[in-house]
Amino acid sequence: SQQGEEDPQALSIQEGENATMNCSYKTSINNLQWYRQNSGRGLVHLILIRSNEREKHSGRLRVTLDTSKKSSSLLITASRAADTASYFCATDASNTGKLIFGQGTTLQVKP
Amino acid sequence: GAVVSQHPSRVICKSGTSVKIECRSLDFQATTMFWYRQFPKKSLMLMATSNEGSKATYEQGVEKDKFLINHASLTLSTLTVTSAHPEDSSFYICSAREVTVAYGYTFGSGTRLTVV
Repeated sequence: SQQGEEDPQALSIQEGENATMNCSYKTSINNLQWYRQNSGRGLVHLILIRSNEREKHSGRLRVTLDTSKKSSSLLITASRAADTASYFCATDASNTGKLIFGQGTTLQVKP
Repeated sequence: GAVVSQHPSRVICKSGTSVKIECRSLDFQATTMFWYRQFPKKSLMLMATSNEGSKATYEQGVEKDKFLINHASLTLSTLTVTSAHPEDSSFYICSAREVTVAYGYTFGSGTRLTVV
């Protein structure tokens, strides 16, 4: 089952611009994670934000979490062509350890 | 860092045959592994949770007899697609959880299955 929606589904920007992706989820969570997937490849963990955190930074990545709205956003600043990939949020909604993924945003960064 | 090896990366098989996909945690023990399926341009759908030494837990709608999961050791889980049909063609990804690392999920590189 999918946890929720991500928007936009597709995003195309120029190199150097910022990219913002949003994720919504349905249930209470312990944490929310963002992953990156290059076409036809596995997933790479980008950043984790706990339910008691509101914002987190890692390099050019900035993640926010609003548990009252059950939503999160991922901001990639000063984008590069190499950032072209699909980005997924995933939530650990229970103590089973299952990660449930959002629909994903496909980002294209044009050089 | 933690590494998960998934093999094969690509496989083509004929309808009616079975295909086994392996997922190995190379440098840590994984009592729990997860199997996902991904259709083109879609998200990952959790199929089942593989528990070492016990039966797998399948998500609703996933056929247990079609997708056989075995987790015989702390470092290996296998997914066997039995009597494969073209509609089983998909990208399958495993994930292993390293319990010594908080929220430590590591993903395999995926297996592209094509059933002809």
